[in-house]
Amino acid sequence: ETGVTQTPRHLVMGMTNKKSLKCEQHLGHNAMYWYKQSAKKPLELMFVYNFKEQTENNSVPSRFSPECPNSSHLFLHLHTLQPEDSALYLCASSIWEGQPQHFGDGTRLSIL
Amino acid sequence: SQQGEEDPQALSIQEGENATMNCSYKTSINNLQWYRQNSGRGLVHLILIRSNEREKHSGRLRVTLDTSKKSSSLLITASRAADTASYFCATEGGSGGSNYKLTFGKGTLLTVNP
Repeated sequence: ETGVTQTPRHLVMGMTNKKSLKCEQHLGHNAMYWYKQSAKKPLELMFVYNFKEQTENNSVPSRFSPECPNSSHLFLHLHTLQPEDSALYLCASSIWEGQPQHFGDGTRLSIL
Repeated sequence: SQQGEEDPQALSIQEGENATMNCSYKTSINNLQWYRQNSGRGLVHLILIRSNEREKHSGRLRVTLDTSKKSSSLLITASRAADTASYFCATEGGSGGSNYKLTFGKGTLLTVNP
């Protein structure tokens, strides 16, 4: 139990579908992150939210749309994805930016 | 761009032996962190060492940092089968852009055989 919960754990979707990934933390943290983990590549930072404000968009394609309604919840809205978007998507949180991060167990996304 | 790079890519040892993993990076940093990832799970933070520190201990873990060589090492003593996982170093700050951004390496896969 890491304190960061991601749902769903697995998702299979077609290229024309729209789906959302959810991340929830009740650790009292103020910063939340989305990462993409692909086989044989380093973990890639996608987005950072600090006190609900986006502070980093690491040149992520617009087919990925993040939403942070409050400090405890983070969403990643997906639409018109490509096969190369298949990966493990990890959410993390920290008390604030720069502090050690707590990760969820990820959503394994497969694009058909 | 990749900052931390772990070496070796894979390491296989017997239970009870020590395991050493290395990390090299390219630009100045604020701190360096080590994380562990078990198969199918998220990353777990192990230890953080600041740029003005040279060595840090946590239980069976020992981390060193040499800023002149831009390198760090993670030593796990008296390894156990449960230590089998991928280990990642992550550097924070110093390379432009967001000063708090963590940049991860590709990791070292450690296998501890019973």
